[in-house]
Amino acid sequence: EVQLVESGGGLVQPGRSLKLSCAASGFTFSNYDMAWVRQAPTKGLEWVASISTGGGNTYYRDSVKGRFTISRDNAKSTLYLQMDSLRSEDTATYYCARLPWGDWIDYWGQGVMVTVS
Amino acid sequence: EIVLTQSPTTMAASPGEKVTITCRASSSVSYMHWYQQKPGASPKPWIYDTSKLASGVPNRFSGSGSGTSYSLTISSMETEDTATYYCQQWSSNSLTFGSGTKLEIK
Repeated sequence: EVQLVESGGGLVQPGRSLKLSCAASGFTFSNYDMAWVRQAPTKGLEWVASISTGGGNTYYRDSVKGRFTISRDNAKSTLYLQMDSLRSEDTATYYCARLPWGDWIDYWGQGVMVTVS
Repeated sequence: EIVLTQSPTTMAASPGEKVTITCRASSSVSYMHWYQQKPGASPKPWIYDTSKLASGVPNRFSGSGSGTSYSLTISSMETEDTATYYCQQWSSNSLTFGSGTKLEIK
């Protein structure tokens, strides 16, 4: 069974940093592109960043470029999101997501809440 | 960045009624994908590659479209279909989502 379990969320002050982790199991992690998607309270879904299978290619939405860093450790089957210079508008539930062919999401984690205040 | 515009934003349908949700892209896209989300839960993949149903999705759902216009259709609304539906596309190494359509039962 595919499982994606996020951790590392919490309450943080503006300008501070936070690092999210996503532990993957039930599939060969290194074979899949991965992504982070967020959802602000009562709002819609918003893609944050994606990373290729080997980690060599990373992509970000404009509003987080230069502040967030997506990375992965294939040996540990873990995806990360380093979030620096956090802003109030980054407050959201962050979902870890698997991209089977790089362009859609076939598995989502349960989400982790990040509150910047 | 390609912008996806969903319509309607909210709607209510009676049991057995046919429902159509539309997603229009600001530029042509190759495929459209759809997700269902219920309150307090993670989104679920629902339709991928425009018309393929994800695992476990009832066959009263269907997807269609091409270019800049796509749709999700429910042939006969059921209570369990109450949810918010999002369309999503990928292009130029960027994913974008529509703003969602909240579907309720009358």
